[in-house]
Amino acid sequence: AQRVTQPEKLLSVFKGAPVELKCNYSYSGSPELFWYVQYSRQRLQLLLRHISRESIKGFTADLNKGETSFHLKKPFAQEEDSAMYYCAPWADTGRRALTFGSGTRLQVQP
Amino acid sequence: GAGVSQSPSNKVTEKGKDVELRCDPISGHTALYWYRQSLGQGLEFLIYFQGNSAPDKSGLPSDRFSAERTGGSVSTLTIQRTQQEDSAVYLCASSLLRGGDEQFFGPGTRLTVL
Repeated sequence: AQRVTQPEKLLSVFKGAPVELKCNYSYSGSPELFWYVQYSRQRLQLLLRHISRESIKGFTADLNKGETSFHLKKPFAQEEDSAMYYCAPWADTGRRALTFGSGTRLQVQP
Repeated sequence: GAGVSQSPSNKVTEKGKDVELRCDPISGHTALYWYRQSLGQGLEFLIYFQGNSAPDKSGLPSDRFSAERTGGSVSTLTIQRTQQEDSAVYLCASSLLRGGDEQFFGPGTRLTVL
């Protein structure tokens, strides 16, 4: 069965500390992986996708096929990074919509 | 251009009543999605429309839920005989062609069933 797991519901760090939001998936084939973010009182929006290999707002995510993980990382957290983060794999088989993880709330304290 | 819009932004209804939620996707986007966001539950997929293909209804929680997309554009999500557990934020999103494209989300409709 296709499954995505974000083990942490809440991650609280201090400003300037490194951040790692965990995401593990169980998918057949080679899914594409996405991270979506929802800032307070804003719409859910795409943060980054693994195929672009970009760094957005200082965040990066490496797809580890061996561990089936796609953890989101940032070396120095900022207060404006406080938001809800969702990992979402997608595969062009079976259900073709995204399957979102349960989300991790990141709180960056001053 | 305009993003995805949803109406109403808030809806309060009594248990047992029917409700209709509307979504206007970005013009030209062929894929449209409905999700439900409940407190502590994350994002739950409901239904997916792609062009003229039969919709993927596999996420609808019960037969009280239905959705249609007219003319390949506007979509309506209907919940019949609402229950208190239906209370949630209902999100609509659209993407250019397929699920793997960037999804653009609407602001959501907050449904409260009393």
